[in-house]
Amino acid sequence: AAGVIQSPRHLIKEKRETATLKCYPIPRHDTVYWYQQGPGQDPQFLISFYEKMQSDKGSIPDRFSAQQFSDYHSELNMSSLELGDSALYFCASSSAGGATGELFFGEGSRLTVL
Amino acid sequence: KQEVTQIPAALSVPEGENLVLNCSFTDSAIYNLQWFRQDPGKGLTSLLLIQSSQREQTSGRLNASLDKSSGRSTLYIAASQPGDSATYLCAVSPYTGANSKLTFGKGITLSVRP
Repeated sequence: AAGVIQSPRHLIKEKRETATLKCYPIPRHDTVYWYQQGPGQDPQFLISFYEKMQSDKGSIPDRFSAQQFSDYHSELNMSSLELGDSALYFCASSSAGGATGELFFGEGSRLTVL
Repeated sequence: KQEVTQIPAALSVPEGENLVLNCSFTDSAIYNLQWFRQDPGKGLTSLLLIQSSQREQTSGRLNASLDKSSGRSTLYIAASQPGDSATYLCAVSPYTGANSKLTFGKGITLSVRP
C-alpha cells in the first residue's frame, strides 16, 4: 500500500540558508500535518492543512512557512536556518472524513544545520 | 493544554518477559490514542490505534488498553524479543477530521536483552 512520501530524506544546510521539505500524502488523504522532532525529544506539531487551507497551527517559527497544493502534496519552507532547526521533520496524512482519525507518518526528513 | 506522560523513560528487560508500558494524559476529552514505535533516527511506525469508545486493541503480541476516564493507556508486549528494542511513543488526538493533530509523550526506550 502507498505510504506518505517525504523528500529529501537527508539535507545539510549552512546557517542562514533556506531549505524546502516536501510531503506527498497517501492517495485520497486530504489533510497533512508537519511535526518537528529534535534530538531526544518528542515530535512537536508545527502546522496542518486541510483541502489546501491551513487548519491548525502549532509551534512553528515565523521563519517557516508551509502550503498544500492542488494535488494535496505539501511543502515546508524554512528560511534563515539556525543550528536549533536541526531535527527530524515528519509529515503525516489523514482523511478528514475517516472514522478513526488515524494519522499515517512518513519516514521523515533529517535536516542538519551547520 | 493536553500533556502526555510516559514513565519510565527507559526500560531494560530480559528476552521472553511480558511487559507493560504506561501512558497517561491530562485531558480525558480525546478522540483516539495511538501507540507508535520508533527505531533510532527512523520514522514513526503506527502500532495500534484505540478510539475513545473502545477499551482495547490487539495486534499479534501487542495489546493496548485505554481507560479514558482516568487518562491512562497501557501497551502490553507479550514474550518480548530483542527485535522489540525501540522507543515506544503514545499520542492522543482531541478530534477527528481536519484537526486530528496528535500530542505525543516523550516515549519509553525499551531494551530487550538476549
